[in-house]
Amino acid sequence: DAGVTQSPTHLIKTRGQQVTLRCSPISGHKSVSWYQQVLGQGPQFIFQYYEKEERGRGNFPDRFSARQFPNYSSELNVNALLLGDSALYLCASSYSGANVLTFGAGSRLTVL
Amino acid sequence: ELKVEQNPLFLSMQEGKNYTIYCNYSTTSDRLYWYRQDPGKSLESLFVLLSNGAVKQEGRLMASLDTKARLSTLHITAAVHDLSATYFCAVDIGGSGGGADGLTFGKGTHLIIQP
Repeated sequence: DAGVTQSPTHLIKTRGQQVTLRCSPISGHKSVSWYQQVLGQGPQFIFQYYEKEERGRGNFPDRFSARQFPNYSSELNVNALLLGDSALYLCASSYSGANVLTFGAGSRLTVL
Repeated sequence: ELKVEQNPLFLSMQEGKNYTIYCNYSTTSDRLYWYRQDPGKSLESLFVLLSNGAVKQEGRLMASLDTKARLSTLHITAAVHDLSATYFCAVDIGGSGGGADGLTFGKGTHLIIQP
């Protein structure tokens, strides 16, 4: 079985640009969460989606948005990129949001 | 605001030794997770602790949870080089496995085990 897959794996953007990160959950998992991990820190919660609805949001500005599609895949969008948005963005899936999270390999974003 | 503190943040130890990593958290919770992260890699789930007094063991690693003290420990027995990694504890206050409030992670313990 494929695990949680994320794309792209690496990308470089400049300040002010916009980025879209994609995530496919484990087959059968209906919940997707997004986390930001800045170098040297623990992951920080951004969003959780379940059955295509936002169920939770962390302390991130409105420049961050996400959505979940009918096939349970998800996209994370970040607008007006800042240098501080440089991080590893991790997607995690679970069956219902009430289970152990399985993380993907992440998308490493560098903002110049 | 939930705070999760790990200590030590950095640990260098020799193979064969024992050591304990501590995870303190500031708000009542009975769900605590331990993850391992290798350099440049994602997070691997190690243990899920779901109740006071829970103890889980896998190989040379043993995790425990004391919800009254708001403390979890990860004990390493007879360390080997392959256990070198960064270890994170994460707390779920929503009681829903990382749902509406997400998981709150500690800063991680960077563990180096030298031959």
